[in-house]
Amino acid sequence: SAVISQKPSRDICQRGTSLTIQCQVDSQVTMMFWYRQQPGQSLTLIATANQGSEATYESGFVIDKFPISRPNLTFSTLTVSNMSPEDSSIYLCSGGPSGYEQYFGPGTRLTVT
Amino acid sequence: RKEVEQDPGPFNVPEGATVAFNCTYSNSASQSFFWYRQDCRKEPKLLMSVYSSGNEDGRFTAQLNRASQYISLLIRDSKLSDSATYLCVTGNFNKFYFGSGTKLNVKP
Repeated sequence: SAVISQKPSRDICQRGTSLTIQCQVDSQVTMMFWYRQQPGQSLTLIATANQGSEATYESGFVIDKFPISRPNLTFSTLTVSNMSPEDSSIYLCSGGPSGYEQYFGPGTRLTVT
Repeated sequence: RKEVEQDPGPFNVPEGATVAFNCTYSNSASQSFFWYRQDCRKEPKLLMSVYSSGNEDGRFTAQLNRASQYISLLIRDSKLSDSATYLCVTGNFNKFYFGSGTKLNVKP
């Protein structure tokens, strides 16, 4: 298994600003992912964070809005840019060996005012 | 059509009951299958992987039917602490698809 930590755990931000969320894994993992979860809803995949190359974004998510870095096999960041109230959500990162189970961080609860 | 479909519930059962959740998936090329548990305001946690031969972990039994593209989870002797949302997940070529979850309430 893998233990994943995220920072910050929560934040309240003003519209128009940006927030960078950090995700740290306690072991090297092949795959890392970023998800968004609205209250009472299931997870929506934002992108796959690829080590050493550009992230792969899902339909409806773009790099300018959600730039992602993955400098090594244990760390990734997601930035939520030019925030609006619609970006208020829980953001979760996950990681795991390729094709097998993935483990989640505790999430970052973002509120945009 | 969603990749993974689940009955959202809620399933309200008494302690000690046996409850079963079902899930269907649309991609016949799916290669890996899981059940996750998510408590309110917490992250999803892996409950168990699901294998073609079926697998059991204590009170939990998971089954996979590839021909019908159907996954099930059986919980025996339900405990109050089993109350949570159960997410069905499939994986294919390093991509994972989550169902919307089935909510279970176990009552005293």
